[in-house]
Amino acid sequence: TQLLEQSPQFLSIQEGENLTVYCNSSSVFSSLQWYRQEPGEGPVLLVTVVTGGEVKKLKRLTFQFGDARKDSSLHITAAQPGDTGLYLCAGQDDYNQGGKLIFGQGTELSVKP
Amino acid sequence: KAGVTQTPRYLIKTRGQQVTLSCSPISGHRSVSWYQQTPGQGLQFLFEYFSETQRNKGNFPGRFSGRQFSNSRSEMNVSTLELGDSALYLCASSLKRVNNEQFFGPGTRLTVL
Repeated sequence: TQLLEQSPQFLSIQEGENLTVYCNSSSVFSSLQWYRQEPGEGPVLLVTVVTGGEVKKLKRLTFQFGDARKDSSLHITAAQPGDTGLYLCAGQDDYNQGGKLIFGQGTELSVKP
Repeated sequence: KAGVTQTPRYLIKTRGQQVTLSCSPISGHRSVSWYQQTPGQGLQFLFEYFSETQRNKGNFPGRFSGRQFSNSRSEMNVSTLELGDSALYLCASSLKRVNNEQFFGPGTRLTVL
């Protein structure tokens, strides 16, 4: 059974601080996605990474896929209260598994003004 | 383009009853996946349908079933409801099956009393 371990589970910081969320596995993933979810809503896709070592930036968010495609990180620079939410990483475990995503447990981020 | 829609948004049922949830994917998307989200287990994959065929199934009991229609709309059914089935049920659609980006609906909040 493939697992994605996400850390930390909870993060409470002040506006303007930087933070990093980690997503680790012992298994290789063909692609990895990061989502943000707000209460009562479905997850919203932020980014997809597919190549080992890939780095993608989305404004103040930087996503990295590990060289071996087993881990990923999300770094937020100068966090703002609007960044508050549940951040989820999700991996597609096998080319043949199609739409099946394996999710990490999530990181609850709270950014205080 | 309209997003993924799910109906109903909220449901309250009692133990032993059955329930049917509906999902309309983004126009043109042929893959529909279902996930169960609970505070303890996080997001867990239920099943995936592509072109009316179940292509993938998670580790859930047979009480959980689904189907997809020729217009790609999908339904999932849970029979003999248990208290532990209380959860947010999320539907996601994607254009392709592999290394694809999944777009989630707002979910159906099911409460079993």
